[in-house]
Amino acid sequence: ETGVTQSPTHLIKTRGQQVTLRCSSQSGHNTVSWYQQALGQGPQFIFQYYREEENGRGNFPPRFSGLQFPNYSSELNVNALELDDSALYLCASSRDVTYEQYFGPGTRLTVT
Amino acid sequence: KNEVEQSPQNLTAQEGEFITINCSYSVGISALHWLQQHPGGGIVSLFMLSSGKKKHGRLIATINIQEKHSSLHITASHPRDSAVYICAVRHYLGAQKLVFGQGTRLTINP
Repeated sequence: ETGVTQSPTHLIKTRGQQVTLRCSSQSGHNTVSWYQQALGQGPQFIFQYYREEENGRGNFPPRFSGLQFPNYSSELNVNALELDDSALYLCASSRDVTYEQYFGPGTRLTVT
Repeated sequence: KNEVEQSPQNLTAQEGEFITINCSYSVGISALHWLQQHPGGGIVSLFMLSSGKKKHGRLIATINIQEKHSSLHITASHPRDSAVYICAVRHYLGAQKLVFGQGTRLTINP
């Protein structure tokens, strides 16, 4: 059984640019949640996708958007990057909305 | 005040010591998770609890729903246990998201 994978591993972008991060969920999982973890902090919930629909959103501006595909993989898009967007972005998949979440290794985004 | 508070923030101990990490929360929850994060970022789920106690190897997690408190214990600690341990709760309402504590950085010296 393949675990949760994320790409890319690391990414450096310039302020104002746009970025797309990708997450492949674990086999049999229909729910993907995205989190932002700033250095030294706990992760913060960005949003969750369940069966291709957004199923809850944290306190993040609209320039953070996402997609979930029919195979339940997911993308996180961030427009107009700001320096504070520098963080580790984690995705987690689960069998359903309230089931245990399995985390990917994360994508470390640096905005300069 | 954060909805989820962990203590201590940092903990250094000698190999073999019994370790306790505490988590207090202020909201109604449907489940509490203990997670382990190693340098480099990967997060591993250790336990998901809604009541009582769970044990896996040298790790034990307990939860007291009435007191809104959970503890993670590590028996016979080992340097490979060095990591950040994070408590996260799933709200009783709006159950789709996890709310995380700040984490406890554990260092076990040989």
